[in-house]
Amino acid sequence: SQTIHQWPATLVQPVGSPLSLECTVEGTSNPNLYWYRQAAGRGLQLLFYSVGIGQISSEVPQNLSASRPQDRQFILSSKKLLLSDSGFYLCAWSYTPYTEKLFFGSGTQLSVL
Amino acid sequence: QKEVEQNSGPLSVPEGAIASLNCTYSDRVSQSFFWYRQYSGKSPELIMSIYSNGDKEDGRFTAQLNKASQYVSLLIRDSQPSDSATYLCAVFSGGYQKVTFGTGTKLQVIP
Repeated sequence: SQTIHQWPATLVQPVGSPLSLECTVEGTSNPNLYWYRQAAGRGLQLLFYSVGIGQISSEVPQNLSASRPQDRQFILSSKKLLLSDSGFYLCAWSYTPYTEKLFFGSGTQLSVL
Repeated sequence: QKEVEQNSGPLSVPEGAIASLNCTYSDRVSQSFFWYRQYSGKSPELIMSIYSNGDKEDGRFTAQLNKASQYVSLLIRDSQPSDSATYLCAVFSGGYQKVTFGTGTKLQVIP
């Protein structure tokens, strides 16, 4: 069966510090991978998606970046965090781009202070 | 106009009652529709998907789709306190080639 791992579960970072969140998927090959952010009282916002190694598409301009160094590994990074980067970050995967169901990781609650 | 709209709630229903959650969407070429359940502090979990007009039943859950009215709903029969969560409506739009989520409806089932 397929599983998705995301860490850390919680993170408190000062403004201006770097960020690295990691996500890995097991039990499937060439998954489509996604990073979402959920701010308090708001819906899920798609940040990045990837259909293959090294292929990253950005949905919104921001100070975040994503990388996919291996088939089942997806990393979200920032060089300098802003207060507005606070939120619940979710990694997800699907079999096919968008048309199929999304399977979410357990999420990272990021607080930027 | 928001692409996917939901009433934020909270929607309070007594235990054993039917909870009715509603969602409207703006893109007429939307193709796939999903309901996710999200407990507080947890990640969303897919509970229902529906692709054609009409009703789809799975246990205590029934999804209803009306493409002409651009409306999708979720009925939860015999509501239980464990159903208390936020329910997210998600719509895949063929025109935009992406899944858009609503902001969710918070459901409270009162014992």
